[in-house]
Amino acid sequence: EVQLVESGGGLVQPGGSLRLSCPTSGFSFTSSWMNWVRQAPGKGLEWVANINPGGEGKFYVDSVRGRFTISRDNAKSSLYLQMNSLRVEDTALFYCVAWAGDSCYWGRGTLVTVSS
Amino acid sequence: DVVVTQSPLSLPVTLGQSASISCRSSQSLASSGGDTLLDWFHQRPGQSPRRLIHGVSKRDSGVPDRFSGGGSGTDFTLKISRVEAEDIGIYYCFQYAHRPHTFGPGTKLEIK
Repeated sequence: EVQLVESGGGLVQPGGSLRLSCPTSGFSFTSSWMNWVRQAPGKGLEWVANINPGGEGKFYVDSVRGRFTISRDNAKSSLYLQMNSLRVEDTALFYCVAWAGDSCYWGRGTLVTVSS
Repeated sequence: DVVVTQSPLSLPVTLGQSASISCRSSQSLASSGGDTLLDWFHQRPGQSPRRLIHGVSKRDSGVPDRFSGGGSGTDFTLKISRVEAEDIGIYYCFQYAHRPHTFGPGTKLEIK
């Protein structure tokens, strides 16, 4: 059974930091591109960042570049997102998404709320 | 950035009838390798999205053949034949030919 389980979300003040984690199982993590996709309350989907299987290639949407860092630990089959200098507009449900060959797997998401 | 638009944004459909959603991108989604990098996702209320179609027209495992995707370049279509109650929700197209990757705004399908 494929599992992606996001954690690390919560309530944080503007300017604060959070680290999201996404341990996975049930598919070939080491050969999969991994993504973070977010969804603000009542809004559509926004691709945030992704990382290639080896971890050397990292790509971001402009609004988070320089503030967020995506990383992975292939030995632990886990994906991470370090989020710094958080803004109110970063409030969203953050999904971990795997592109695994011809399959695409999503977690259930972790909610990040940025508010004073 | 590549802008992705969808129409209609709201789609009321009678059970058993067909539905069609259009997706347009501001740049061609054809890659140098020959593939066209456009997927379709479906999100039911309160659930995580699920991919239906990848590479314009390839159905993901377990997706009913009532769903079909087509198009090329900058114009794409998702067709649903014989709409069922479980098809309600929001449909998104997604381009990954260019960075940053971008989703369309979504099309909300509801049953009349």
